[in-house]
Amino acid sequence: SQTIHQWPATLVQPVGSPLSLECTVEGTSNPNLYWYRQAAGRGLQLLFYSVGIGQISSEVPQNLSASRPQDRQFILSSKKLLLSDSGFYLCAWDTGDTQYFGPGTRLTVL
Amino acid sequence: GNSVTQMEGPVTLSEEAFLTINCTYTATGYPSLFWYVQYPGEGLQLLLKATKADDKGSNKGFEATYRKETTSFHLEKGSVQVSDSAVYFCARLNNAGNMLTFGGGTRLMVKP
Repeated sequence: SQTIHQWPATLVQPVGSPLSLECTVEGTSNPNLYWYRQAAGRGLQLLFYSVGIGQISSEVPQNLSASRPQDRQFILSSKKLLLSDSGFYLCAWDTGDTQYFGPGTRLTVL
Repeated sequence: GNSVTQMEGPVTLSEEAFLTINCTYTATGYPSLFWYVQYPGEGLQLLLKATKADDKGSNKGFEATYRKETTSFHLEKGSVQVSDSAVYFCARLNNAGNMLTFGGGTRLMVKP
């Protein structure tokens, strides 16, 4: 069966520091991968999606970037965090018409 | 464009009450429709889905029917439990099949 992992589970970072969040999927090959952000008390915003290694589409212009160095690995990064980057970051995968979500990373920028 | 509108919460019910959470979508083609549930501090879990008109998705006592004529996908449960307390998200898939659009979420609180 397929599983999706996110690392770390929680993170507290100062403004201006770099960021790297990791998402890995097991039990499937060539999945579509997604990064979403959920601000406190709000819905989900699609940030990036990827249909293959090295292929990244950005949905919202911002100071975040994404990379897919391996088929089942998706990384969300920032060079300098802003206060507004705080939120709950969710990774998801799909190989058909259904997306499955990871457990999320809660990021607090102080 | 694609959009999903769901009723604002919070919805507060007593245990064993009947639940309805309304969801409507923009009628661009015939999108697959989903309900996801998010328990406190966790990611989203797929609750149920429907891929064509008149389909009924069901899981854990929850049901939703794909209504093309009213562009709706309302979530229902006959008897809620305290453990159903969570945030529920309605979502639709775009025609290309690669992007979900979510509603704003509805928080359900069930009191014993």
